[in-house]
Amino acid sequence: SAVISQKPSRDICQRGTSLTIQCQVDSQVTMMFWYRQQPGQSLTLIATANQGSEATYESGFVIDKFPISRPNLTFSTLTVSNMSPEDSSIYLCSVGRRDTWYQETQYFGPGTRLLVL
Amino acid sequence: AQTVTQSQPEMSVQEAETVTLSCTYDTSENNYYLFWYKQPPSRQMILVIRQEAYKQQNATENRFSVNFQKAAKSFSLKISDSQLGDTAMYFCAFTLSNSGYALNFGKGTSLLVTP
Repeated sequence: SAVISQKPSRDICQRGTSLTIQCQVDSQVTMMFWYRQQPGQSLTLIATANQGSEATYESGFVIDKFPISRPNLTFSTLTVSNMSPEDSSIYLCSVGRRDTWYQETQYFGPGTRLLVL
Repeated sequence: AQTVTQSQPEMSVQEAETVTLSCTYDTSENNYYLFWYKQPPSRQMILVIRQEAYKQQNATENRFSVNFQKAAKSFSLKISDSQLGDTAMYFCAFTLSNSGYALNFGKGTSLLVTP
């Protein structure tokens, strides 16, 4: 398995401000992903965090709103910029880890619960 | 685009009974991977079981098993001998690659196990 931590675990923010969420993994991984889970909804992929290059964003998500850093193979950050109440969600990071030579499993962090007032 | 559909928003089952959660998906690809994840009220997503599309044998993990019908694009999860700790949201997920690809999730099924 993988041990993944996220900081902060939760936060309440004012609209117009920005919040940076950190994701730390216990060992090096190639792939890291950021998902959003809006209240009562499923998970939607925001972007793939690539080490050494720009993140790859999904349709509907842009770098100006959700800048991502991936300085090394164990750490990534997601910033939610210029927040509005619609950004209130749980933000989760996940990593791919190879459990066997032919199987990779995605493991998830505990999530960051964000409330924007 | 690949889509995942879970048609049961909520289900309940009595302790020790068996329950089946449904999942269908749509893809034109032949090789892919399917998963069931569990998200308890504590929020941590946990992998329950996985199935490789090229395998005909249904995956099992202790009390959890799947019924994978490739032609019908169906991937249901059966929980046997349900326990109170099984109460959670269950998400069906799909990915095209065994490595480095993100997951497409269904909307989830909320399962309540009652005493």
